[in-house]
Amino acid sequence: QVQVVESGGGVVQPGGSLRLSCVASGFTFSSYGMHWVRQAPGKGLEWVAFIGYDGSREYYEDSVKGRFNISRDNAMNTLYLQMHSLRVEDTAVYYCAKGELKDSWGQGTLVTVSS
Amino acid sequence: QPVLTQSSSASASLGSSVKLTCTLSSGHSTYIIAWHQHQPGKAPRFLMKIEYSGSHIKGSGVPDRFSGSSSGADRYLTISNLQSEDEADYYCETWDRVWVFGGGTKLTVL
Repeated sequence: QVQVVESGGGVVQPGGSLRLSCVASGFTFSSYGMHWVRQAPGKGLEWVAFIGYDGSREYYEDSVKGRFNISRDNAMNTLYLQMHSLRVEDTAVYYCAKGELKDSWGQGTLVTVSS
Repeated sequence: QPVLTQSSSASASLGSSVKLTCTLSSGHSTYIIAWHQHQPGKAPRFLMKIEYSGSHIKGSGVPDRFSGSSSGADRYLTISNLQSEDEADYYCETWDRVWVFGGGTKLTVL
């Protein structure tokens, strides 16, 4: 069955960096665009970034532009989110989601930015 | 870019029906939207995509109790025969080179 599994979350100090991964299975990963979406504590869902099926298109939410980079390795069925210059307000559960419609989501990985 | 407006909360009794509303901002009334369900501690779940015409395509395994419709700038999610497991946050979203979520509606099943 279709599955996406995130990993790489943890506690990091403000200004630090972290790389999230999302391993996909059960579908042809190289045929689908992929998203990162986050949910801060007590808040709603917030879209973070999208990458096209072949990596040729990338879009970012304004507050992460220039700090986050989305990428993918289609040979490894893996999506990444490299996060730099992390801020306290980036603290959230980060989800990856399949396809432009986000028709399958992972369980998420928690990123905590705190001194 | 489009803005989506949702009521922050809704409630209905077990076995009854509820209609959740998502309103697109001015100038974006023809946009397609998607509905997602998010139960606490679980992965969000795609429910359906709804077009301006009201036609909708549901996600895999979404029960028939869930249906969608449209009127002008409003997109609706109707849940019939409410079950306890339907208690969740419901988000609509749309896209125009960036993706935007509504603030979410917390549904309580009484």
